[in-house]
Amino acid sequence: EDQVTQSPEALRLQEGESSSLNCSYTVSGLRGLFWYRQDPGKGPEFLFTLYSAGEEKEKERLKATLTKKESFLHITAPKPEDSATYLCVAGGYNKLIFGAGTRLAVHP
Amino acid sequence: DAEITQSPRHKITETGRQVTLACHQTWNHNNMFWYRQDLGHGLRLIHYSYGVHDTNKGEVSDGYSVSRSNTEDLPLTLESAASSQTSVYFCASGDKLNTEAFFGQGTRLTVV
Repeated sequence: EDQVTQSPEALRLQEGESSSLNCSYTVSGLRGLFWYRQDPGKGPEFLFTLYSAGEEKEKERLKATLTKKESFLHITAPKPEDSATYLCVAGGYNKLIFGAGTRLAVHP
Repeated sequence: DAEITQSPRHKITETGRQVTLACHQTWNHNNMFWYRQDLGHGLRLIHYSYGVHDTNKGEVSDGYSVSRSNTEDLPLTLESAASSQTSVYFCASGDKLNTEAFFGQGTRLTVV
């Protein structure tokens, strides 16, 4: 069964304290791995697409990487405005498989 | 800028009533989707459409219906609202069902 598992469920960081969010996936015929940011009361906002193992994408303080079984979202020197839920989504055969998300809180 | 908008943003309705949630996109995507998001679950697909007059059931389609009369709109109808349908509903559009999608702001529906 296709599955996406994110860890940790919640993460609290001090401003400037770098860390990584993990996304493990088991998907037959992965078509792409997507990261989204979701703020409270809003819809998911698209961040990155990764297609193949070894690929990396960066945007400001965020960097997403992909292996054959996992994806990581690295957050370097986070700021309070990076606080959000980060969703990992896998593109499988004719569907998207959503992880439950990691709730990130960055405190000044 | 292209966007996807949902209305209403909040809705309270009574059990048994018919409710329709609107979704309008200006991305010119052929594919549109409805998801629901509940605590303890990831987003779950309700219905999707590959184009005008095309509709398909997702994993949690019971009690819901959609119709697609043009490219821009995919309204979601709850035929007879139930308390189990209290949720946050997101509309999305994209190039394909299994590629990156662009989401609306969501509709919070409460069935009392």
